[in-house]
Amino acid sequence: GESVGLHLPTLSVQEGDNSIINCAYSNSASDYFIWYKQESGKGPQFIIDIRSNMDKRQGQRVTVLLNKTVKHLSLQIAATQPGDSAVYFCAENRGSARQLTFGSGTQLTVLP
Amino acid sequence: GAVVSQHPSRVICKSGTSVKIECRSLDFQATTMFWYRQFPKQSLMLMATSNEGSKATYEQGVEKDKFLINHASLTLSTLTVTSAHPEDSSFYICSASSGTGRNTEAFFGQGTRLTVV
Repeated sequence: GESVGLHLPTLSVQEGDNSIINCAYSNSASDYFIWYKQESGKGPQFIIDIRSNMDKRQGQRVTVLLNKTVKHLSLQIAATQPGDSAVYFCAENRGSARQLTFGSGTQLTVLP
Repeated sequence: GAVVSQHPSRVICKSGTSVKIECRSLDFQATTMFWYRQFPKQSLMLMATSNEGSKATYEQGVEKDKFLINHASLTLSTLTVTSAHPEDSSFYICSASSGTGRNTEAFFGQGTRLTVV
C-alpha cells in the first residue's frame, strides 16, 4: 500500500550548521510532495513543495531534493537556527486538493 | 496568506459526552475541508474529506457515526465527537482548500487538543 516514512525520528544539530531531514515514499506514482514544520501544539506550517518533474527546489534557507529512482526526498535547512526546532513532516498529495498522507515525522532540535 | 481558524483550541470533556470542533476559513471560501487526527508523537492521519453541501467521505477505520462532520457552508466545517471516550483524546486538525483540483492549496488550522476524562 501507499506509505510515506522517515529514516530518523530525531535529529540534533548545532546552531549554524546545516540540517538534512530524509523521507522515503513507496508509491512510485506520487507526483507532488510537501514539507511541513509543526511546532508543539500547533498545526502544520507549509515550508516547501516539489513536483515529480523536478529534482530540486530552493526556498529561503531550505532546499528540497527529490530522487524518484529510489523514491526518496530530503529537506535541507541551511544555517539552522533555534527557531527551526520543531517536528518536520513530509507529505504526499494522494488525491485532489491536498488530501495528504503524512510521514512519521522527524524531531529537529537545535543546540546552542 | 489564507487563514484557517479552529475553535476551541483546547477542550476537556467527560467520558460519554459529545464535543464539537469548528473549522473556519476566514478569508476564502473553502470548497473542501479535511479533518486529521494526531496522537502524541505521531503523524497526522486523515480522518475524512468534506465538500460543502455533500456528505463527508471517511477514511477506512474511521467511524462516521462517532465522528460527525458537517460542512454546511463555504466557510465552516464542524467535527463532532459523539460519546467521547478517553481513547478519543487527541489533537484534531483541519485544513481547508478553495477548490477540488489537484493543484489547489490547502491551509491548516492551529489544531484542537481534546482530552476526555
